[in-house]
Amino acid sequence: QKEVEQNSGPLSVPEGAIASLNCTYSDRGSQSFFWYRQYSGKSPELIMFIYSNGDKEDGRFTAQLNKASQYVSLLIRDSQPSDSATYLCAVRESNYQLIWGAGTKLIIKP
Amino acid sequence: ETGVTQSPTHLIKTRGQQVTLRCSSQSGHNTVSWYQQALGQGPQFIFQYYREEENGRGNFPPRFSGLQFPNYSSELNVNALELDDSALYLCASSGTWTSGGPNTDTQYFGPGTRLTVL
Repeated sequence: QKEVEQNSGPLSVPEGAIASLNCTYSDRGSQSFFWYRQYSGKSPELIMFIYSNGDKEDGRFTAQLNKASQYVSLLIRDSQPSDSATYLCAVRESNYQLIWGAGTKLIIKP
Repeated sequence: ETGVTQSPTHLIKTRGQQVTLRCSSQSGHNTVSWYQQALGQGPQFIFQYYREEENGRGNFPPRFSGLQFPNYSSELNVNALELDDSALYLCASSGTWTSGGPNTDTQYFGPGTRLTVL
């Protein structure tokens, strides 16, 4: 059974600090990795995707991928209260389907 | 806004009934994926449609069925509703076929349909 694992949290971070969210996956054949943000009662919205090992930056967000360790992370710099949400990690399998983690709840404290 | 729409927004049904949920994909997208998301969990893949054909299916029973139409909009049908079917149902559209297969990268979600089964 291919799996994507995330710490359910909640992860509490002071406003202005860096929030670090982690995700591990079991399928070594996975090629594409996605981070989505989901506010309570809403649908997931795409934050970033990453395909290659290393870092990818987009504004306050940085995705990090390490395929050897089967690990992908999301860093949020200068955290804002509006960043409080559940962050979902999704991994594309070799059959093109997405496998999802259960999400990490992030709370940014003013 | 992703350009993906779903209807209805909310729905209340009783056990044993049937329900149809609808999704209009983003312009230019020809692949639609359906997910079930229970409270506190990640989305669970139900199935995917590409060019009107089912292209993959998750671990859901046959009473979950779907359709995709020539304009790439899609329906999810659930027969013989059970209490555990209560969830948020999400539709996601994604781009065109690539040389390696349907491109499910960068899925964009609609607002979802909240189904309550009593």
